[in-house]
Amino acid sequence: DAGVTQSPTHLIKTRGQQVTLRCSPISGHKSVSWYQQVLGQGPQFIFQYYEKEERGRGNFPDRFSARQFPNYSSELNVNALLLGDSALYLCASSLEPGEQYFGPGTRLTVT
Amino acid sequence: QKEVEQNSGPLSVPEGAIASLNCTYSDRGSQSFFWYRQYSGKSPELIMSIYSNGDKEDGRFTAQLNKASQYVSLLIRDSQPSDSATYLCAVHQPSNSGYALNFGKGTSLLVTP
Repeated sequence: DAGVTQSPTHLIKTRGQQVTLRCSPISGHKSVSWYQQVLGQGPQFIFQYYEKEERGRGNFPDRFSARQFPNYSSELNVNALLLGDSALYLCASSLEPGEQYFGPGTRLTVT
Repeated sequence: QKEVEQNSGPLSVPEGAIASLNCTYSDRGSQSFFWYRQYSGKSPELIMSIYSNGDKEDGRFTAQLNKASQYVSLLIRDSQPSDSATYLCAVHQPSNSGYALNFGKGTSLLVTP
């Protein structure tokens, strides 16, 4: 079975630009969570969606937004990019609240 | 923000030895605990989950939970060089939004041949 997929793999953007990251969960999984991981730190929670509804939001500014589609895939949008947004963005899927399985991540570099 | 603490390491063990990785958490209401392995440049991989006090074994891995001491550990028996990675402890705290996981910074493990 296919695991969690994310696109793109790598991305380079300029300060002030906007970016959209995409995630497809494991087949049958209805919950998607987004995390940001900077070098040397553990992942930090950004959003969680379950059955297309936002179930949780971490301590990130309003420049970060997300949504989940009827097929349970998800997008994470970040507006007005800052240098500090450079990180590995991870999507995790779960069948229901519980064990989360991560995709390969999108590495975002803001210059 | 409730804390999840791990020794950053590196923890160095010889091949074939037992590696012991530790994690403490501050929220007594925490209910679910997970260990992830992350190789350099890769994403975290779930290796163990534990929900009740005691030990849980899966192959060479044993997770141990002591809620009274707010302590969770991971033992890796017969350590192999391929086990060299960063091990992340993750905790679900009911006060968190949804089912968000709160991660420690990870412990770097080096298994030397």
